[in-house]
Amino acid sequence: GAVVSQHPSRVICKSGTSVKIECRSLDFQATTMFWYRQFPKQSLMLMATSNEGSKATYEQGVEKDKFLINHASLTLSTLTVTSAHPEDSSFYICSATGGTPGELFFGEGSRLTVL
Amino acid sequence: AQSVSQHNHHVILSEAASLELGCNYSYGGTVNLFWYVQYPGQHLQLLLKYFSGDPLVKGIKGFEAEFIKSKFSFNLRKPSVQWSDTAEYFCAVNARTGFQKLVFGTGTRLLVSP
Repeated sequence: GAVVSQHPSRVICKSGTSVKIECRSLDFQATTMFWYRQFPKQSLMLMATSNEGSKATYEQGVEKDKFLINHASLTLSTLTVTSAHPEDSSFYICSATGGTPGELFFGEGSRLTVL
Repeated sequence: AQSVSQHNHHVILSEAASLELGCNYSYGGTVNLFWYVQYPGQHLQLLLKYFSGDPLVKGIKGFEAEFIKSKFSFNLRKPSVQWSDTAEYFCAVNARTGFQKLVFGTGTRLLVSP
């Protein structure tokens, strides 16, 4: 199947700093990418949907100024957590679709810890 | 908007026992249905999916699921579980049209004892 890669897999940062997480589709062009957040022992919550070359669509309750999403190319989307705080500590997962209806591929996830 | 309910949050089984995990969804239109598995320390993997056709779908590792439209259900089954099936299982749904964003259930944590 298609491969989606996230980097970094783990990141620890100080409160107030910004962290960028990359999501790449390695062997297909991702027309749409999704960013999810998973709290411990909870399900995945969709944060935003991004289409290449356009602004991301954020889910209700997600601060777009805090979670900046850029989808500059068909193989790369980035999530930047700005001015991170301990409550932003979580597991962030991206998924991508190449256009086949319902076909989504997930990255390995990135665990963010904010001290 | 879609929503997904998984009624079993924790399931503990012995090896060779049969498994059935419940999943119900709410949506007024046509949907695609998925089951994902997340093994400890690993990322999500697709177990099986239903788009259309035969409502009984077979996935990897001996799993199957049955779509019952009248009950808005897509329960996951396996006749005989193994210790290696210990994982968290997520049911998910997306609309057949549109941006295909997946909505996940809360997950079921399965522990299989040897």
